[in-house]
Amino acid sequence: SAVISQKPSRDICQRGTSLTIQCQVDSQVTMMFWYRQQPGQSLTLIATANQGSEATYESGFVIDKFPISRPNLTFSTLTVSNMSPEDSSIYLCSVVETGSPNEQFFGPGTRLTVL
Amino acid sequence: AQSVTQLDSQVPVFEEAPVELRCNYSSSVSVYLFWYVQYPNQGLQLLLKYLSGSTLVKGINGFEAEFNKSQTSFHLRKPSVHISDTAEYFCAVSDRFKNTDKLIFGTGTRLQVFP
Repeated sequence: SAVISQKPSRDICQRGTSLTIQCQVDSQVTMMFWYRQQPGQSLTLIATANQGSEATYESGFVIDKFPISRPNLTFSTLTVSNMSPEDSSIYLCSVVETGSPNEQFFGPGTRLTVL
Repeated sequence: AQSVTQLDSQVPVFEEAPVELRCNYSSSVSVYLFWYVQYPNQGLQLLLKYLSGSTLVKGINGFEAEFNKSQTSFHLRKPSVHISDTAEYFCAVSDRFKNTDKLIFGTGTRLQVFP
């Protein structure tokens, strides 16, 4: 399966600032997603990262708050903008590999704490 | 909209005992079903999946699950658990016909294995 890395692995940020999280895959993938896992809770899909075009956001998530880029088939970024303590979560990217449809592999996650 | 219900938030069990983690989904349409495991401070790892064919699927680490369409269930089982199975387990579903690979997750079940 694809090897997925995320940077940073964790960060502590001040209220009002922004953080960009990177997701890098070692092979070309068809789909990339970003999820949020709030403390003690399940995963919620934020958006589908589309290569070369605007991401597709789920209900409750907007581009101004969570801008996403995907410049090529192996890399994506998620920015958490104007952070508040409620944004403290684990953010995970996931991918669907070419040739392995219907199966998602997850990155290790980025643990974000907002003070 | 689809939803996934994991009735048990926590399941305590002694080592070498059998365990069943329950999962029910709401949709009447055809679905793909997944179980993921999350060890402490790690990302998600795919345990097993049901896409089609045999309703009994076997996964890694001795886990298996049975798809029951009439009961809209996909319960996870292991005949004899080990201390190392202590983790959070998530059931997830995606819509077979929407072809988006988007996953809807349950709230998770924390399996605690005691010596």
